[in-house]
Amino acid sequence: DTAVSQTPKYLVTQMGNDKSIKCEQNLGHDTMYWYKQDSKKFLKIMFSYNNKELIINETVPNRFSPKSPDKAHLNLHINSLELGDSAVYFCASSQHSTGSNSPLHFGNGTRLTVT
Amino acid sequence: AQKITQTQPGMFVQEKEAVTLDCTYDTSDPSYGLFWYKQPSSGEMIFLIYQGSYDQQNATEGRYSLNFQKARKSANLVISASQLGDSAMYFCAMSGNQGGKLIFGQGTELSVKP
Repeated sequence: DTAVSQTPKYLVTQMGNDKSIKCEQNLGHDTMYWYKQDSKKFLKIMFSYNNKELIINETVPNRFSPKSPDKAHLNLHINSLELGDSAVYFCASSQHSTGSNSPLHFGNGTRLTVT
Repeated sequence: AQKITQTQPGMFVQEKEAVTLDCTYDTSDPSYGLFWYKQPSSGEMIFLIYQGSYDQQNATEGRYSLNFQKARKSANLVISASQLGDSAMYFCAMSGNQGGKLIFGQGTELSVKP
């Protein structure tokens, strides 16, 4: 059983389009995240939700809007896609949002290519 | 602000030998966690090992061990008896009391030679 699953795995689209990436976790975790991995492999947090509430928003452009219908799901919608949005987007979850000992469990990533 | 630094962009090791991947960190939080992840060429992020800032002993998980030197603010990953399947990108990460997020280093690409 996949613990953190995100779809689609690959997403190729043109500039200006709107797209969504879906994420679901079946670990019973309270907290979910979106990370962006750029072409140099650097991983940077974008958002974090705890029990459907936004707790971290790392100065991401307004074109990115996360939505958490319940604590097992965190979707990412991106409006007006730009070339610079091309990256691998990882969804992740952890047991707790506070404290320092909860590892993140990652999905397999969504490779977004904007042409 | 928290910071994680991995100074080795790439490393080579002979199969069956041990290798150390360096990681240094900076934080003002008294309580924090240090993590290592492996990212093979297939792209997934695999959690390897965790060390808490108050843990007295170095963490070990199979062939992985974490050489934690708190005074030096270093958390190096040691992989013993390297295997070809260990070839991957390795990331050091740190957590604090900031909403559970992890801050990642730049990564080290490890290549294991037969």
